[in-house]
Amino acid sequence: DTEVTQTPKHLVMGMTNKKSLKCEQHMGHRAMYWYKQKAKKPPELMFVYSYEKLSINESVPSRFSPECPNSSLLNLHLHALQPEDSALYLCASSQVRSGVGREKLFFGSGTQLSVL
Amino acid sequence: AQSVTQLGSHVSVSEGALVLLRCNYSSSVPPYLFWYVQYPNQGLQLLLKYTTGATLVKGINGFEAEFKKSETSFHLTKPSAHMSDAAEYFCAVSSGAGSYQLTFGKGTKLSVIP
Repeated sequence: DTEVTQTPKHLVMGMTNKKSLKCEQHMGHRAMYWYKQKAKKPPELMFVYSYEKLSINESVPSRFSPECPNSSLLNLHLHALQPEDSALYLCASSQVRSGVGREKLFFGSGTQLSVL
Repeated sequence: AQSVTQLGSHVSVSEGALVLLRCNYSSSVPPYLFWYVQYPNQGLQLLLKYTTGATLVKGINGFEAEFKKSETSFHLTKPSAHMSDAAEYFCAVSSGAGSYQLTFGKGTKLSVIP
């Protein structure tokens, strides 16, 4: 199994809603990532979990709250989002063992989020 | 600090023609370099990477790239374009072996004309 599975694929939410994005991998990867990608732009790193601990938070607003319940799951909790938060949210995972910077990222297909 | 510059936001080639996508990088440490491809409504998929060793790197789908330190370049090539190669291509540089940071270029959209 070399897949990163993200659900839902599409999400429309109002600015007062609370929703969660989910990501799952069974490759034994111990690093998991959230990226945000606006249309026609490269992905931007939001959060990194390494061995289920938050390693990087790229100054992301608190209306985005990540969670890593175990080594296979990664969630992104959303609350009080703004229309400018509409984007494709990508989850990725990678090995850590030989130096994480050398490793390829395995990406999910993303959740296309629209905030109304 | 590191950065990536992809020359040309949009490249069009005829089916069967050479594909050349340009990438230049700057890095304060020996770079680890990557090319990722993104098809519409999909995540990114690794085409190839350079970490150490042979400077000509072969990847999936017939793509290859050559690391040229003197030119700080990592251009992506494919001898003969196929319609299925139409996608967005991102060059990326890592901050080092122990880093989770991957800096992406702005991307190049490849169109293949039948």
